[in-house]
Parts: sequence; structure tokens; C-alpha cells
Amino acid sequence: DAGVTQSPTHLIKTRGQQVTLRCSPKSGHDTVSWYQQALGQGPQFIFQYYEEEERQRGNFPDRFSGHQFPNYSSELNVNALLLGDSALYLCASSLGQGFGYFGAGTRLSVL
Amino acid sequence: AQSVTQPDIHITVSEGASLELRCNYSYGATPYLFWYVQSPGQGLQLLLKYFSGDTLVQGIKGFEAEFKRSQSSFNLRKPSVHWSDAAEYFCAVMTTDSWGKLQFGAGTQVVVTP
Repeated sequence: DAGVTQSPTHLIKTRGQQVTLRCSPKSGHDTVSWYQQALGQGPQFIFQYYEEEERQRGNFPDRFSGHQFPNYSSELNVNALLLGDSALYLCASSLGQGFGYFGAGTRLSVL
Repeated sequence: AQSVTQPDIHITVSEGASLELRCNYSYGATPYLFWYVQSPGQGLQLLLKYFSGDTLVQGIKGFEAEFKRSQSSFNLRKPSVHWSDAAEYFCAVMTTDSWGKLQFGAGTQVVVTP
């Protein structure tokens, strides 16, 4: 049984570009949450998707958007990248809108 | 303001010694409490959680945590650490009015010496 899988594992972009990160939830899970973990900090909640809708959102600008597909997988999109967007992006899945089981993350570097 | 505090940024412990990591929270009501561990280059692994009931919670890898309402604390303990316990540990909380949204502390880096 595969756990939460994220792709790609590493990504390098330049300022102003756009990026899409992907997450496949653990089998049987229907909810996906995204977190940003800057170096040396704890993860910060970005948003949560359930039933293909954004259900909760943290304090992130509209440059951060997402999508959930009918198979429960999810994408995180970030537009107009800033240097400060460099971080580890973590996806967590759950059954219902509970706490999550985390993937290994995508390391995004913005140059 | 709601917050999660891990007072110790870095802890060094000898292999075989006991370990205690501190976590304090500031919320209006009793939140749901979690401890996660993150090894280098890895995601977060759930060690244990507290929702209600017995205030001493057993987790994986020999860890336990005790919820103390009077001190707003949820400290993590292990009687005897192994070299493989070297990692970063995060305390997190979730409340009923933001169900599914985990708020994390800044983490405690644990180094294990021979």
C-alpha cells in the first residue's frame, strides 16, 4: 500500500516563473492538505482540499492555488515565484478532514 | 493569539540516556495534540497523538507523551535513546474550529552522541 507520494522531489525555478507540484494521497484517503516548510522552521498550513473544493486556507497570498481531482490527487500551483518561496512543500492526506499522513515533500529552490 | 512553543531549539543527548522534549500551547480550549518526527530529507512521521482520555499516550518507536492541562503542555519522552532517534521533532496542535489544519511549533533538533 503506497503512502503519500509527491512529485517531483526537487525543483529549481527562477523568480517570476510558475510551478506545479503534485500529490497522490494514501490509498483510501480523500482529503489533501499542503504545507510550506522554510529552512529551520516548522511547516505552515497553506490550504486543504476535500471533495474537490478548498475547505480551509492559511495565510498565503493568492499566488498559491490548488486543485483536487476526482481521484483525490492534488496539485499546488505557485505563480510569480519569489525567492522567499524556496522551501520544502509537504502534502498530507487524510480520510475526512482530519490530521494528515505526510509525504516526503518537494524541495523547491527559487533562484 | 494561538501558538505552539517548543522552547528548546537543539538538544544533545547520549545514546542510552533519556530524552524529554517540551511543548507548550496557547489555545482557548483543549486542542488535539500531536508529535511528528522528521529525519533529514524526509517528510513527517506521526509518533503519537492525543485527542482525549488517558493523558499518558504511547506512540511508536518507544516514545510517550503526557498531556498536562494545568500547564498547557504536551511533552515527549523516551527512556533510552538510540542513534537512530537523531532527527527533528515537531509538536503540532489542531482545534475543532479549524479541523484538519495542523499548527506546528518551530521544532527541536535532537543530536545523539555515542
